[in-house]
Amino acid sequence: QKEVEQDPGPLSVPEGAIVSLNCTYSNSAFQYFMWYRQYSRKGPELLMYTYSSGNKEDGRFTAQVDKSSKYISLFIRDSQPSDSATYLCASGDTGNQFYFGTGTSLTVIP
Amino acid sequence: DAMVIQNPRYQVTQFGKPVTLSCSQTLNHNVMYWYQQKSSQAPKLLFHYYDKDFNNEADTPDNFQSRRPNTSFCFLDIRSPGLGDAAMYLCATSRDFREQYFGPGTRLTVT
Repeated sequence: QKEVEQDPGPLSVPEGAIVSLNCTYSNSAFQYFMWYRQYSRKGPELLMYTYSSGNKEDGRFTAQVDKSSKYISLFIRDSQPSDSATYLCASGDTGNQFYFGTGTSLTVIP
Repeated sequence: DAMVIQNPRYQVTQFGKPVTLSCSQTLNHNVMYWYQQKSSQAPKLLFHYYDKDFNNEADTPDNFQSRRPNTSFCFLDIRSPGLGDAAMYLCATSRDFREQYFGPGTRLTVT
């Protein structure tokens, strides 16, 4: 079983839609959770960083962590064509490594 | 702007010819990482430095080496690149193993 599992998609939505991206993780000791956006042939860009459970909001983006079900989510409101990218989730404990999902490819259609 | 810089952005090397990739950072972070990412795959951690302490992942091939001469710079050396080493190589930094900030990556082609 992989440490972090992510549905690769692809996911295609119309502009303005609410997007829900999800990951599951296997290790209950994980406390740190990150979401990255990666455009084609570029490095990952940190979008959200959360510690432990709960929600965190930043503009159109909301990250949600449910430690009871080991489930992490990223919601994008009012999606824009510029949001078209691959979204990577990552999780880890207080140690030295974060485990990445394989990424979900998102296309927002104008 | 504080950032993570990687050079070159694109590197072409011949099979078996040593190559060095470079990473520098202005964030003054104490941890630096090297990842390998192949198409449609998750970034795979090769190794990291916590200050000067080097930590190699168990499954990182011996063909891959790294140097960190100071806080700002880190290098990835591939001693004898094979066709399977063609990938995007990502450098990242963090402060004390918290959120990681990535550079733009170096795309390596092996001919």
